[in-house]
Amino acid sequence: EDQVTQSPEALRLQEGESSSLNCSYTVSGLRGLFWYRQDPGKGPEFLFTLYSAGEEKEKERLKATLTKKESFLHITAPKPEDSATYLCAVVRHGGSQGNLIFGKGTKLSVKP
Amino acid sequence: EPEVTQTPSHQVTQMGQEVILRCVPISNHLYFYWYRQILGQKVEFLVSFYNNEISEKSEIFDDQFSVERPDGSNFTLKIRSTKLEDSAMYFCASSPWQVETQYFGPGTRLLVL
Repeated sequence: EDQVTQSPEALRLQEGESSSLNCSYTVSGLRGLFWYRQDPGKGPEFLFTLYSAGEEKEKERLKATLTKKESFLHITAPKPEDSATYLCAVVRHGGSQGNLIFGKGTKLSVKP
Repeated sequence: EPEVTQTPSHQVTQMGQEVILRCVPISNHLYFYWYRQILGQKVEFLVSFYNNEISEKSEIFDDQFSVERPDGSNFTLKIRSTKLEDSAMYFCASSPWQVETQYFGPGTRLLVL
C-alpha cells in the first residue's frame, strides 16, 4: 500500500536553531514529491516539487532534498514566522492522474 | 499572482441536506481536484477532473458526491445528502497538467449538524 510517513509529528525550535524534517515514502514508482506549508485553517501553500533522486530545491531558509526512499526539508536559522505544519505529498506511477498522497505533516513551532 | 478561490468559506448544514461547494481554479489550468481534511487528520484525495470528466476518484467519493464544471470558470462539488462524517475542510486544487504542482484554494469548512 502506498504510504507517506512524516517525522517528527511536532518540532519545537528556538529562533535560529536549524533542523530537518523527514518524509519517507513507499509508493509503486515515484513520479513527483511535493512539499507544502499549511497554516491553521488555511489551504496548503506550495513550497517545492522534486522529481528525481539527488534533486535539491531552495527557497529562502528552506531547502528540500530527495533520495530514493525519503525527502528532507532543511530549515536554516528559522524565524517565528516559519511556524506552520509542513506537509509532504507524492504522486505515484500507474493509473494515477496526479492525485496527491499526503503524509500527516510535521507541526513546527519556532519560539523567539 | 493567480490563485484558486473557493466559496463559501464556511457552511453549516443539517444532516441529509444537499450542499454545493464552489471553486474557481487558476484560469489556464487543465486539471482540477477536490480534497478533504477532517480535523486533525491528513489531507485526502477525493476526485480529479480533466476534459470535462472524472479522471480518478477515491473510495471516499461515493454516489453521494458529484462534480461539475458548469461553465468555463467554476468547478463544483455537490454532496447530495450530507452525513455527520462529511464535516471537514474541503479543498479545491488545480494544476496546469497532471503530476505538475497543484495549487490549493483556501478551503470551505463544512459542518454537518
